[in-house]
Amino acid sequence: NAGVTQTPKFRVLKTGQSMTLLCAQDMNHEYMYWYRQDPGMGLRLIHYSVGEGTTAKGEVPDGYNVSRLKKQNFLLGLESAAPSQTSVYFCASSSPEPNTEAFFGQGTRLTVV
Amino acid sequence: AQKVTQAQTEISVVEKEDVTLDCVYETRDTTYYLFWYKQPPSGELVFLIRRNSFDEQNEISGRYSWNFQKSTSSFNFTITASQVVDSAVYFCALSDTGRRALTFGSGTRLQVQP
Repeated sequence: NAGVTQTPKFRVLKTGQSMTLLCAQDMNHEYMYWYRQDPGMGLRLIHYSVGEGTTAKGEVPDGYNVSRLKKQNFLLGLESAAPSQTSVYFCASSSPEPNTEAFFGQGTRLTVV
Repeated sequence: AQKVTQAQTEISVVEKEDVTLDCVYETRDTTYYLFWYKQPPSGELVFLIRRNSFDEQNEISGRYSWNFQKSTSSFNFTITASQVVDSAVYFCALSDTGRRALTFGSGTRLQVQP
């Protein structure tokens, strides 16, 4: 009973490098989200998806791209990493039913040097 | 636009004290959902409670209780007889009925001293 799994858990990148964060959920949820958490700012929405093949921008989308080719997976890409993207990234999934909670992955700590 | 304010950045109490974490929200939606999540030092986000805008009943779960007041747009969280294991960052969050994404407050770090 894995829930939401994020890969990798930690990563150090050099400025300008690219990488992809993988989020996988086994709850058959339609909705998936990527957030970033920075000190003193709570979590902020980067991108989200309301179904396979659909994506949309959140509040802080610049510098990131996403893809939802399969219902259970939501990928977050950084094409050219910048130090400002040093953060903890959380993936979440939820049912479309409004009176339900979101389930979060364990987080990915990314450092860009 | 939605907004959640947790004005208390950090609270420190001694074990067995009661503590209340404040949460004030702003939304133009008539239907919305409020949540509290706990983030212990290990970093994961743990769901605590969900409340919809139609239900203003207070809720008690063991040592935890929540006071939802639409008139003041507040959804406060009280821990009774705090314990060291309650030490964590607590987030209040708000979602709409559309994309269902959460708008988080900045969090309150609670430290419970033995």
